Amino acid sequence: AAGVIQSPRHLIKEKRETATLKCYPIPRHDTVYWYQQGPGQDPQFLISFYEKMQSDKGSIPDRFSAQQFSDYHSELNMSSLELGDSALYFCASSSIYETGDTKANYGYTFGSGTRLTVV
Amino acid sequence: AQTVTQSQPEMSVQEAETVTLSCTYDTSESDYYLFWYKQPPSRQMILVIRQEAYKQQNATENRFSVNFQKAAKSFSLKISDSQLGDAAMYFCAYRSWGGSEKLVFGKGTKLTVNP
Repeated sequence: AAGVIQSPRHLIKEKRETATLKCYPIPRHDTVYWYQQGPGQDPQFLISFYEKMQSDKGSIPDRFSAQQFSDYHSELNMSSLELGDSALYFCASSSIYETGDTKANYGYTFGSGTRLTVV
Repeated sequence: AQTVTQSQPEMSVQEAETVTLSCTYDTSESDYYLFWYKQPPSRQMILVIRQEAYKQQNATENRFSVNFQKAAKSFSLKISDSQLGDAAMYFCAYRSWGGSEKLVFGKGTKLTVNP
């Protein structure tokens, strides 16, 4: 079965540079979520999109922006990178109709993550 | 805001034995979902088991089962017949029913399986 695809798997950037992370959700999944997991930390929610519109926002720095495109893939853009941005960035996708119950939107599937290292 | 607490930073178990990981949470909502995720050294987040709060029956997935105590806001994970491949970081997570779909994670419990 198709999974959530994230690219690149690894990324090394210097301070003050810009990075773009990409996420391709499972086909027919209409919701994308981004999480940041620092070293030894639990994942922290950044932002989510439903049908190409921002649906929720967490602790995402102003230096970061994201969007979901017409093909449902999403990109997380990170500017003016800081050492503290070094982390594993997860994308997840789900579909509100996954189980045929409009409330049963619990079908989160995570990608393998992008490990960003800022030097 | 909801919070999830995992009070055991590390746990260890002998292969083939049973281990229980603890999780408590705080919420004012009556409907929600609870999850256990496994994160092995590969860092992939893998769903182990999920529980809908409205269901009284505890969820079970093969060797994994939960003890869901809604009134006590407790959601522990029991792993039976532990295998070496169960060694990983385990995260307990909460999600609202409707509204925000974000997952709120606990700090995690690192499980070591000894041969």
